[in-house]
Amino acid sequence: SQTIHQWPATLVQPVGSPLSLECTVEGTSNPNLYWYRQAAGRGLQLLFYSVGIGQISSEVPQNLSASRPQDRQFILSSKKLLLSDSGFYLCAWSPGLAGGPNTGELFFGEGSRLTVL
Amino acid sequence: AQSVSQHNHHVILSEAASLELGCNYSYGGTVNLFWYVQYPGQHLQLLLKYFSGDPLVKGIKGFEAEFIKSKFSFNLRKPSVQWSDTAEYFCAVNAAFLRNTGKLIFGQGTTLQVKP
Repeated sequence: SQTIHQWPATLVQPVGSPLSLECTVEGTSNPNLYWYRQAAGRGLQLLFYSVGIGQISSEVPQNLSASRPQDRQFILSSKKLLLSDSGFYLCAWSPGLAGGPNTGELFFGEGSRLTVL
Repeated sequence: AQSVSQHNHHVILSEAASLELGCNYSYGGTVNLFWYVQYPGQHLQLLLKYFSGDPLVKGIKGFEAEFIKSKFSFNLRKPSVQWSDTAEYFCAVNAAFLRNTGKLIFGQGTTLQVKP
């Protein structure tokens, strides 16, 4: 069966420090991968998605970047954190094209809570 | 731009009360529709989904939702809530033209608090 893990679960960082959140998926190949941010009262906002290694699409302009160095690894980064980067970050996956028609159903990780002070 | 709107941001009910959470989307083409739930301390999980066919879909834990195409709505219902239904609920839409990417557009979420 497929599983998704992301870490760290909780992170407290000072303004201006770098960030790296990691997400890995097991039990599937060529998944689509996503980073969402959940901010209080604002629901879930799609930040990045990737349909393959090295292919990253950014949904909103921001202080963050994403990379996909391996098929089932998705990393969210920042060189210098801002206060506004605080939030709950969720990694998710869905079957890629090779897995058949994509219905849009996503499978989420446990989330990473980032507090920038 | 496509969007999803959930009308109720915070709902408080007593156990055994009936629940209806509203969801409207703004996209005129073919869509897949979802309700996700996030229980306290747990990860986001799928509650139910609509792809095609019967517009009344049933999900886990006694939840159901009705797709009304003419109203661009996909409201979530449960006849009798339990304290364990306390959670945050998200409506989401996947438009057909986004299907290859699997991208979901989420609503703002509704926090449901059920009092015992």
